[in-house]
Amino acid sequence: EVQLVESGGGLVKPGGSLRLSCAASGFTFSSYSMNWVRQAPGKGLEWVASISSTGSYKKYADSVEGRFTISRDNAKNSLDLQMNSLRAEDTALYRCAREDRINSYPIDYWGQGTQVTVSS
Amino acid sequence: DIQMTQSPSTLSASVGDRVTITCRASQSINRWLAWYQQKPGKAPKLLIYKASNLESGVSSRFSGSGSGTDFTLTVSSLQPDDFATYYCQQYNIYPLTFGGGTKVEIK
Repeated sequence: EVQLVESGGGLVKPGGSLRLSCAASGFTFSSYSMNWVRQAPGKGLEWVASISSTGSYKKYADSVEGRFTISRDNAKNSLDLQMNSLRAEDTALYRCAREDRINSYPIDYWGQGTQVTVSS
Repeated sequence: DIQMTQSPSTLSASVGDRVTITCRASQSINRWLAWYQQKPGKAPKLLIYKASNLESGVSSRFSGSGSGTDFTLTVSSLQPDDFATYYCQQYNIYPLTFGGGTKVEIK
């Protein structure tokens, strides 16, 4: 069974930092691209960042470019999101999500998410 | 960036109704479109990929069509479990973008 479990969320002040993690199991992690997608309270889905299966390619939404860094450790089946210079508008539920980019298959599994709240 | 516009934003329907949700891309995405269903407090669930392909395990009540810029999701006979919010998403190019969502409510 595919499982994606996020952790690391919490309450942080504007300008602060937070590191999110996603533990993957039930599939060959190194074969899949991975994403972070966020959802502000009562709002829609917003893609944040993607990383290729090998970690060679990374893409970011304009809203987080230069502040967030996505990374992965295929030996540990883990995905991270380092978030710096956090703003109130970054407040959201952050989910990691699997995507088979190589085979042109979209996001098919999502974690339940970890809440990030940016407030003074 | 490719903008994805869904309509309507809210839809009131009854059990047994046939409902259609539309999604328009700001430029051609060929058929690289997915549809997701999301219920409150839950992660999205993939329903349709590549515009018209039914994801494994998803009810055949759901169908998708379209190519280029215009797409539709149809539920042939709405069931109580189908009341949820639906999102389209293009995965043609980065940044990945989602439609604003369509909430299907009970009439």
